[in-house]
Amino acid sequence: AQSVTQLGSHVSVSEGALVLLRCNYSSSVPPYLFWYVQYPNQGLQLLLKYTSAATLVKGINGFEAEFKKSETSFHLTKPSAHMSDAAEYFCAVYPNTGNQFYFGTGTSLTVIP
Amino acid sequence: GAVVSQHPSRVICKSGTSVKIECRSLDFQATTMFWYRQFPKKSLMLMATSNEGSKATYEQGVEKDKFLINHASLTLSTLTVTSAHPEDSSFYICSAREASGGVRGTDTQYFGPGTRLTVL
Repeated sequence: AQSVTQLGSHVSVSEGALVLLRCNYSSSVPPYLFWYVQYPNQGLQLLLKYTSAATLVKGINGFEAEFKKSETSFHLTKPSAHMSDAAEYFCAVYPNTGNQFYFGTGTSLTVIP
Repeated sequence: GAVVSQHPSRVICKSGTSVKIECRSLDFQATTMFWYRQFPKKSLMLMATSNEGSKATYEQGVEKDKFLINHASLTLSTLTVTSAHPEDSSFYICSAREASGGVRGTDTQYFGPGTRLTVL
């Protein structure tokens, strides 16, 4: 069975500092990988996705993520945090032979002014 | 980009009543739609997968007689919470996957904005 682990349910960074949100997956075959952002009382917005092309994926709002097969990781980064980045972030995997998403438990990002 | 809408965005109902939530794909045809439930500060839990024109497939532990799902067309799926109780209060999110062969491919699902259900 697929599993997705997001280390750190809460992450706080200062405005302008580096954002690093961690995601590890368990799969013998690299799946498709996604990062979503959720603002309060809203649905999920796709930040970026990895679908077996370039391992470094750039997304919206200055976010990027790097797929590392050897580490089964897909960590999300942003060089400089902005106040508007405060939200809940979900990592998800979609097995390339499967039919559904598997979500991590989410990481709440707080940006300190 | 692809848009998925949900209606209503918020609903408050009395215990024992039924509530219907609609999920629509606005600019693409969705052969498959998914219904998720999200508890406060928790991840999304897949409730069921609905395919157009066939019965929904429910995840283990989800009562199919309580959460009725209908996917009557390629752009509409509905979730009806029957005889709702306070423990059914939650944030319900749908997602839609474009029909096979679409320009966006089959590896991306598009999520609706969610429906906040409060049962008094």
